[in-house]
Amino acid sequence: KNEVEQSPQNLTAQEGEFITINCSYSVGISALHWLQQHPGGGIVSLFMLSSGKKKHGRLIATINIQEKHSSLHITASHPRDSAVYICAISLGSIGKSTFGDGTTLTVKP
Amino acid sequence: NAGVTQTPKFRVLKTGQSMTLLCAQDMNHEYMYWYRQDPGMGLRLIHYSVGEGTTAKGEVPDGYNVSRLKKQNFLLGLESAAPSQTSVYFCASKGDPDTQYFGPGTRLTVL
Repeated sequence: KNEVEQSPQNLTAQEGEFITINCSYSVGISALHWLQQHPGGGIVSLFMLSSGKKKHGRLIATINIQEKHSSLHITASHPRDSAVYICAISLGSIGKSTFGDGTTLTVKP
Repeated sequence: NAGVTQTPKFRVLKTGQSMTLLCAQDMNHEYMYWYRQDPGMGLRLIHYSVGEGTTAKGEVPDGYNVSRLKKQNFLLGLESAAPSQTSVYFCASKGDPDTQYFGPGTRLTVL
């Protein structure tokens, strides 16, 4: 069983919808990361969380350390949000990370 | 700032050939990582480095070697390529705070 589980695996939404992607993990962590990978392949870091909640534009990330769970929310989704969203956990200061398999999001106009 | 760059972007090898992938970063980061990404699987750590002159094995190190002779460069070598090493390879670097910056990737096909 992967230490990091994401759901759903695939998600299709209509433009404007509110989207939630979930990430559960099974070990103690130093930080949790949300990454975005566009069809061209490049990977961009969206958030790093160790507690609470962070917001950047239409993206919101939350983490519950006790429940070992994080969510990524996208408000007012847009076709340009179509990408693979990857959850990753860091297990120490070295920054070695374990990655989820990703959630493929498609937003239709 | 170029961030993290990778060379080459694409490569096709025959089984048994060797090659070196170059990763360069201009952010003065101590930590650097090599990952592979395969369809339906998450990124997996091959090797990493916590500073110039140091390297360590990750989750899937077999068949690969690395070197970090200069702080800004992290090289990944395949001595005798195998079809199982067909993958997309990503390099990343990390400074402080704990955020990784990824290169654009190298798509490698081994025939």
